[in-house]
Amino acid sequence: KNQVEQSPQSLIILEGKNCTLQCNYTVSPFSNLRWYKQDTGRGPVSLTIMTFSENTKSNGRYTATLDADTKQSSLHITASQLSDSASYICVVRGTSGGSYIPTFGRGTSLIVHP
Amino acid sequence: GAGVSQSPRYKVTKRGQDVALRCDPISGHVSLYWYRQALGQGPEFLTYFNYEAQQDKSGLPNDRFSAERPEGSISTLTIQRTEQRDSAMYRCASSLAPGELTYNEQFFGPGTRLTVL
Repeated sequence: KNQVEQSPQSLIILEGKNCTLQCNYTVSPFSNLRWYKQDTGRGPVSLTIMTFSENTKSNGRYTATLDADTKQSSLHITASQLSDSASYICVVRGTSGGSYIPTFGRGTSLIVHP
Repeated sequence: GAGVSQSPRYKVTKRGQDVALRCDPISGHVSLYWYRQALGQGPEFLTYFNYEAQQDKSGLPNDRFSAERPEGSISTLTIQRTEQRDSAMYRCASSLAPGELTYNEQFFGPGTRLTVL
């Protein structure tokens, strides 16, 4: 069964600090992995997509990494801001059969304190 | 509007009643997905459509749940004889390309919060 596990479940940091969120998956064969940001009461919004051949990709203060061999991804947030407080969800899709259906992680709840 | 819209935003119903949840995708988007999201969890796939054709309904929990998209645009998720365990946030998402093209971004609606008393 395709699974996506995220850690930590929740994280509290001070404004200006960096943090790293982790995502491990078992989806195979692998197509792509997306990181979403979900603000409270809103739907998820895509931050970045990682494909098999990509190791790292940045979007402003967000940097995602992917190790397709170990089936791990991380999302690094630099110089955190109060507006970064949200849930960050890792979503993985495969290439065939039912695995192209998105498999979502439970998310990491990030709280940034002033 | 330019985004995905859902209605109602909140629905409170009594156990045993039927409910219909509506999703209006971004104009021109081919695929439409329904998800259920419990508090503190990521979305769980229910079903998806390409145009008006339901492609996969493997995520529907049981036969009380059904969905349709008769004209390839607006979709309705219907839950018959609701039970308390059906209480959750129901989200839809649309994508420009067919659902099998996995690189295409999904755009999510604000969700319908269903509470079954």
